[in-house]
Amino acid sequence: GQQVMQIPQYQHVQEGEDFTTYCNSSTTLSNIQWYKQRPGGHPVFLIQLVKSGEVKKQKRLTFQFGEAKKNSSLHITATQTTDVGTYFCAGLLEDNYGQNFVFGPGTRLSVLP
Amino acid sequence: EAQVTQNPRYLITVTGKKLTVTCSQNMNHEYMSWYRQDPGLGLRQIYYSMNVEVTDKGDVPEGYKVSRKEKRNFPLILESPSPNQTSLYFCASSLSHAGGGYTFGSGTRLTVV
Repeated sequence: GQQVMQIPQYQHVQEGEDFTTYCNSSTTLSNIQWYKQRPGGHPVFLIQLVKSGEVKKQKRLTFQFGEAKKNSSLHITATQTTDVGTYFCAGLLEDNYGQNFVFGPGTRLSVLP
Repeated sequence: EAQVTQNPRYLITVTGKKLTVTCSQNMNHEYMSWYRQDPGLGLRQIYYSMNVEVTDKGDVPEGYKVSRKEKRNFPLILESPSPNQTSLYFCASSLSHAGGGYTFGSGTRLTVV
């Protein structure tokens, strides 16, 4: 079926370093959402991007939606230990039954103090 | 407090013994969905519901049933559980299927022996 891919699968950084995860789809996305899941927790909604080329910021987090609406990125500046977790993107795709969100496999971030 | 409540949090059962995982939301959301999360595979959709009495299969529906008799409740039924259904299950809800961000329950860790 239609897939949303994410890279890298894992990322280990030293506290204070930057981090970026990328989300890619072979088909155009109507919109994209990002979630964070802390270890042992549940996914928590971070943000939704709708427009081509859209950029949104939340403190140290910057989210981008590609011009072709087929890719997105999440960048964290100066990581902290509180950023540890798995980051998922979810793209809204058209299928035979309408629209539905498809989650990427996630990027697991480890931050070394 | 706005939330999605899943029960139980943990469940160990034997092959073939029917079980139900309950999910309830208090936000008057129309859209509800069930996911399973397995290492390296991210969140895979089992079933979803656009509204009362409207349910559809997701990516991995085999071995599961759902019902949506009331807006707030969306139980997941395993008629004859098998060991390959051992997983972490999440229920989620949203105002609509197309955006606004999903609110996830705390998860149900199911082990089938």
